[in-house]
Amino acid sequence: AQKVTQAQTEISVVEKEDVTLDCVYETRDTTYYLFWYKQPPSGELVFLIRRNSFDEQNEISGRYSWNFQKSTSSFNFTITASQVVDSAVYFCALNSNSGYALNFGKGTSLLVTP
Amino acid sequence: EADIYQTPRYLVIGTGKKITLECSQTMGHDKMYWYQQDPGMELHLIHYSYGVNSTEKGDLSSESTVSRIRTEHFPLTLESARPSHTSQYLCASSEIGGSYNEQFFGPGTRLTVL
Repeated sequence: AQKVTQAQTEISVVEKEDVTLDCVYETRDTTYYLFWYKQPPSGELVFLIRRNSFDEQNEISGRYSWNFQKSTSSFNFTITASQVVDSAVYFCALNSNSGYALNFGKGTSLLVTP
Repeated sequence: EADIYQTPRYLVIGTGKKITLECSQTMGHDKMYWYQQDPGMELHLIHYSYGVNSTEKGDLSSESTVSRIRTEHFPLTLESARPSHTSQYLCASSEIGGSYNEQFFGPGTRLTVL
């Protein structure tokens, strides 16, 4: 069975603060893929990043960074110097070769206030 | 520009009506999916397709049905809508191949059944 847990339901920060969104996953597969998606108020899900189980290298893209640690089964997402436009619901998801679709966490709602 | 479209964006109907939610993609993707997103934000897979004439039910039981007559088109139908069907419905697509491929999502249809 596969499972993704996003323990933080809602986070509220003031603009320019750094914020980390947690994601913990469970899978019995040795090959799997982790994803982060952003869902702004308009409703569509926007793909942010994919990470495969063999690549534990952290990634930075502008103000976004991701920390993948297989030892703790975590794939956390950090936004540096948050902005109001970062306000959205963020989903972590998991897929593997034995699966047919993404398993999503319940999402973390991030509110960035001026 | 390659994209994925959903119509209508918003729909309010009465109980007992038959409705079809449209989903089309211009990316040439073989795999397509329907997710239902409840007010608590969690996403549940209700249908998927690997290609023309292929449809499967997802993890969440749904009274809706789907068809895949053309690669680019994956409509979802409710024969008799009920208030319990009130939700957001998201369509997605991905390339054929491994589960490493990210899914691209449409803007969603927000359905309200009175």
